[in-house]
Amino acid sequence: QVQLVQSGGGVVQPGRSLRLSCAASGFSFTSFAMHWVRQPPGKGLEWVAMILYDGSNKYYADSVKGRFTVSRDNSKNTVYLHMNSLSAEETAVYYCARGDMRIWGQGTLVTVSS
Amino acid sequence: AIQMTQSPSSLSASVGDRVTITCRASQDIRDDLGWYQQKPGKAPKLLIFAASSLQSGVPSRFSGSASGTDFTLTISSLQPEDVATYYCLQDYNYPWTFGQGTKVE
Repeated sequence: QVQLVQSGGGVVQPGRSLRLSCAASGFSFTSFAMHWVRQPPGKGLEWVAMILYDGSNKYYADSVKGRFTVSRDNSKNTVYLHMNSLSAEETAVYYCARGDMRIWGQGTLVTVSS
Repeated sequence: AIQMTQSPSSLSASVGDRVTITCRASQDIRDDLGWYQQKPGKAPKLLIFAASSLQSGVPSRFSGSASGTDFTLTISSLQPEDVATYYCLQDYNYPWTFGQGTKVE
């Protein structure tokens, strides 16, 4: 079935890095851009990043520009979010979503804490 | 970045009520706006795209409209399963931006 399965969340210390993964199945991965969206506990949604279907272009929220990098491996049907210099305020559930926003991953919790 | 101002932040309604949620964009975004429903512990779900197009499988009691930079999500007859938080999202240009959310109780 059409789905996005996420992995890679967990607890990380402030200032450290973490990589999230999102594996796609059931659709033509190379036909879609992919997005990352995050949601701090009890708060609203924040769009984080986008990567085009072929990786040729990427966009970021101002809050993560220069620290986060989105990438994809079309041979593995997987998109990644590399997060550097994490701060406590970035504790959140991170979601990946297909470019048309019709398919979302299950979300993965990233906790930034010492 | 485009600002999306969503109101109200919460509302309480009864089964069968008509519910209206509004988002105002800080600049022209054409009709590049979607509405999402999120239930606790779940990923958001697309309800409306392009301001007024109903996503396949979404009940027809949900509708969207636009007037200039003002966008409205209407639930014509609230059902118990509609208890959720609703968000608008502008996809006109990057960075995309969400409204603050409306909790419907």
